[in-house]
Amino acid sequence: ETGVTQTPRHLVMGMTNKKSLKCEQHLGHNAMYWYKQSAKKPLELMFVYSLEERVENNSVPSRFSPECPNSSHLFLHLHTLQPEDSALYLCASSQFGRTSDTQYFGPGTRLTVL
Amino acid sequence: EDQVTQSPEALRLQEGESSSLNCSYTVSGLRGLFWYRQDPGKGPEFLFTLYSAGEEKEKERLKATLTKKESFLHITAPKPEDSATYLCAVQPPRDSNYQLIWGAGTKLIIKP
Repeated sequence: ETGVTQTPRHLVMGMTNKKSLKCEQHLGHNAMYWYKQSAKKPLELMFVYSLEERVENNSVPSRFSPECPNSSHLFLHLHTLQPEDSALYLCASSQFGRTSDTQYFGPGTRLTVL
Repeated sequence: EDQVTQSPEALRLQEGESSSLNCSYTVSGLRGLFWYRQDPGKGPEFLFTLYSAGEEKEKERLKATLTKKESFLHITAPKPEDSATYLCAVQPPRDSNYQLIWGAGTKLIIKP
């Protein structure tokens, strides 16, 4: 595997389900990100893990819970989601600390909440 | 408030018809400006990083330029495979929020 991988690629879940999204980066980076992408809107940063520190967007509902067990793996745990949470969820990684931190993205997970 | 605005929202061109996409920003002390290409249902693919006004970078039919207030992505003699959404993002100074500020994208359609 190369680059950033995400599983599953597609997920349909009910509002009462619990599921997890997985991301793995093979680039040796030290920062990982979760983004939400909705149609015709800018990418919305949800969570960042950088140098083992978590930074989050305070507007993200608590039904989204991130986990970063090491610098190569990132999870997004989902529970009791709402239909408006349907979107493309993107994982990215970068090497934080350089002049600028180019982010490299995975293919995304298309989430549909029924 | 720091902001990134991309225009136009959508652009339809004939194959071979050159044009430019615009990304204007109100961030001061820019650390970097990024261009990405995104195909439907896929993650953004990195194209260019620009660091200072006057800088230019090229890749095949694409050329990105940067001024103190905006960046242009010039597309020369485009082909149908250049059809995608092009995203622009700006990185603020390190001593403030290091998150990227994203534009909403320009959807480019190249008709054969």
